[in-house]
Amino acid sequence: GENVEQHPSTLSVQEGDSAVIKCTYSDSASNYFPWYKQELGKRPQLIIDIRSNVGEKKDQRIAVTLNKTAKHFSLHITETQPEDSAVYFCAASRNQGGKLIFGQGTELSVKP
Amino acid sequence: DVKVTQSSRYLVKRTGEKVFLECVQDMDHENMFWYRQDPGLGLRLIYFSYDVKMKEKGDIPEGYSVSREKKERFSLILESASTNQTSMYLCASHRVMGGETQYFGPGTRLLVL
Repeated sequence: GENVEQHPSTLSVQEGDSAVIKCTYSDSASNYFPWYKQELGKRPQLIIDIRSNVGEKKDQRIAVTLNKTAKHFSLHITETQPEDSAVYFCAASRNQGGKLIFGQGTELSVKP
Repeated sequence: DVKVTQSSRYLVKRTGEKVFLECVQDMDHENMFWYRQDPGLGLRLIYFSYDVKMKEKGDIPEGYSVSREKKERFSLILESASTNQTSMYLCASHRVMGGETQYFGPGTRLLVL
């Protein structure tokens, strides 16, 4: 069935360093790839998304890249801050978010 | 601003009890979803609904049922709760037109004893 693999499961970086989280999807018909951030005790919230007709998207310190041929996409966070500490989930959908397949999550810890 | 609410933040039930989890959204979204979240497993889809009285099974529907009698409300039912259903349950809603992402409720942490 459809599957999204996410790595690493945990990531620890020093404040100011960059963090990269990678996801691979199996359904070649996927056309929408959101990233969610879930802080401790809170609901997942969208931080950035990318559609299949675009290879890269940036929003201040975060960026997402998509390689359709290899079926993988990545989240890049630059100049990390302690408030970036959270669990991050990638997801893939073939119908613009109607049904999402989620990765297993990455727990990011940014040490001051 | 989209608001998705869930009836309880924390719930403790006994094995064999019937459990109702309710989700309400106020933005007239067509699609609604129920997920369970377990450490290391991400968010797994239990059921979803794309219209009133319509439902489809997700990846892990066993032991669950759902009800959507009104567009704004989507209920998850555990017919006979078991200890392996102890988990965090998240509801989400999504608008079909516009390609928006899913909006999540705050979650219900269910403990089955």
